[in-house]
Amino acid sequence: GAGVSQSPSNKVTEKGKDVELRCDPISGHTALYWYRQRLGQGLEFLIYFQGNSAPDKSGLPSDRFSAERTGESVSTLTIQRTQQEDSAVYLCASSRLAGGPVGELFFGEGSRLTVL
Amino acid sequence: GENVEQHPSTLSVQEGDSAVIKCTYSDSASNYFPWYKQELGKRPQLIIDIRSNVGEKKDQRIAVTLNKTAKHFSLHITETQPEDSAVYFCAASGGQAGTALIFGKGTTLSVSS
Repeated sequence: GAGVSQSPSNKVTEKGKDVELRCDPISGHTALYWYRQRLGQGLEFLIYFQGNSAPDKSGLPSDRFSAERTGESVSTLTIQRTQQEDSAVYLCASSRLAGGPVGELFFGEGSRLTVL
Repeated sequence: GENVEQHPSTLSVQEGDSAVIKCTYSDSASNYFPWYKQELGKRPQLIIDIRSNVGEKKDQRIAVTLNKTAKHFSLHITETQPEDSAVYFCAASGGQAGTALIFGKGTTLSVSS
């Protein structure tokens, strides 16, 4: 596609429910990143994919968070048993380069998650 | 892993003044240092980047300097304009393949006319 696409754009859920956030990267981009941005805060790294493997998942805050990627395509970030502190915008980004010096990241519009 | 510190968290300048944002990083093997601009309600976008084989890079009114010995890099914006108002993020990438891009916490720049 023309850019990184994320869905849903907005998600309101109740505490304790599971949510799935989807990211469709730019075609041909081998690297894919997930970041979390709380209101007025910075970009908190969650996980990084090269192809469908995740060389760096050090940013996942707890075992309630998991992510997977199919080939060099769609990625899904799953949050189980959501808590109010999970409320944030979840940003996905993709990059053409992988396995060496990082290239420009192209960000999606983000998925805004609100946990009541 | 990599840790990036960014200062100041907020910066207010008058139109036409210069603005400087500074970042330090922890991983001496890092070799890629981009800067992203995020306007209110929008996605971050790359504005300039520098790799460790150069010390300075300039693009019109913006420039970035890198001091690998001290492990810090800076963004300089000259002749600021109101449309420069945004949140600016620095980032660093660990030197090994397969390491992620880690961002600083951001600087909110306000340019008043």
